[in-house]
Amino acid sequence: AQSVTQLGSHVSVSEGALVLLRCNYSSSVPPYLFWYVQYPNQGLQLLLKYTSAATLVKGINGFEAEFKKSETSFHLTKPSAHMSDAAEYFCAVSKKSSGDKLTFGTGTRLAVRP
Amino acid sequence: NAGVTQTPKFQVLKTGQSMTLQCAQDMNHNSMYWYRQDPGMGLRLIYYSASEGTTDKGEVPNGYNVSRLNKREFSLRLESAAPSQTSVYFCASTLSLLPYGETQYFGPGTRLLVL
Repeated sequence: AQSVTQLGSHVSVSEGALVLLRCNYSSSVPPYLFWYVQYPNQGLQLLLKYTSAATLVKGINGFEAEFKKSETSFHLTKPSAHMSDAAEYFCAVSKKSSGDKLTFGTGTRLAVRP
Repeated sequence: NAGVTQTPKFQVLKTGQSMTLQCAQDMNHNSMYWYRQDPGMGLRLIYYSASEGTTDKGEVPNGYNVSRLNKREFSLRLESAAPSQTSVYFCASTLSLLPYGETQYFGPGTRLLVL
């Protein structure tokens, strides 16, 4: 079975500081990996995804993530946090044999301090 | 192009009542999904439909039924609501073509409170 673990349910950073949100996956086969963002009272939208092309993936709003097979990780980073980045972030995994079904992590709520 | 729409946005039910959550997409997607979101638990898949005419159970199907009415519409029914079904429900859709890895597009959610 595949799963994802997000370390830290709450992360707080200062505006302008580095954002690092952690995601580790377990999968018996090469996975597809996703980061979704959820702003208050909204649905989820895709930030970026890894589908076995380049291991460093760039997404919207200045976010990027690096797929590291040796560490089974897909951590999300942004060099400089903005107030507008405050939201909940979900890591998710799927695999080819399961179509596009996603398994989500439990989420990390990012707070940005002025 | 409205994307994924859900109705209603908010609903209050009494224990034992029934209701149907509606979802529609206008992106000609093949696959549709129903999730529930609870604090600290992320999103959990209730049911999905890989294509028109097929439906399958997800991680937490008990107490729910679904209907893929046509390619556009996928409804979720609670036959006898329970307080444990208080949650935020999201519908999503994706094109779903080999080799997969497609983006899922989400609706705005339905907030359900069961008293």
